[in-house]
Amino acid sequence: DAKTTQPPSMDCAEGRAANLPCNHSTISGNEYVYWYRQIHSQGPQYIIHGLKNNETNEMASLIITEDRKSSTLILPHATLRDTAVYYCIVTRSNTNAGKSTFGDGTTLTVKP
Amino acid sequence: GAVVSQHPSWVICKSGTSVKIECRSLDFQATTMFWYRQFPKQSLMLMATSNEGSKATYEQGVEKDKFLINHASLTLSTLTVTSAHPEDSSFYICSASEGLGEQYFGPGTRLTVT
Repeated sequence: DAKTTQPPSMDCAEGRAANLPCNHSTISGNEYVYWYRQIHSQGPQYIIHGLKNNETNEMASLIITEDRKSSTLILPHATLRDTAVYYCIVTRSNTNAGKSTFGDGTTLTVKP
Repeated sequence: GAVVSQHPSWVICKSGTSVKIECRSLDFQATTMFWYRQFPKQSLMLMATSNEGSKATYEQGVEKDKFLINHASLTLSTLTVTSAHPEDSSFYICSASEGLGEQYFGPGTRLTVT
């Protein structure tokens, strides 16, 4: 699986959009980009994933560059409860290919 | 959404004893389950991948005889830490997958070995 690079930490004001970048320059054609987050002392939570098109769900939006070498997770209106470690992972999305390598992630702190 | 449970949520055991942690997918069938370990202020480290009805695949450096994994059904996987020592104290997290890349994580089990 391709390796990802994320900034170690970011701050965001409550109510503002949080934009979390991720570099995955070695991504291959059949690999998807997944985002998870982990609130302190809990198991990670799935947020969103995509292949090459931008994706949106009730939690967030995912913007993937045309060359697929980087992506941005957008939390449109961050709240204090969005404070967490956000992990960007690249993995194949087919049978028995869910093995994922978690990097250090980005610690997002939403401030009032 | 898909729900994964873990039991117990926390456990304290004495050095030399064994501890079993259960991971259940509550509303879907998990063809694959993963076991992770997380030390304080560190990221998740994959320990093993478990497919229903077959032997688990362990990551390099993880002792298969110490961390016994059983995936007897499509909704249950267990991790047994045998002869636990204080250095095994950690946060153990399982995840379950229906066969795609998306994983659903359990709430984790905090193990403290005294």
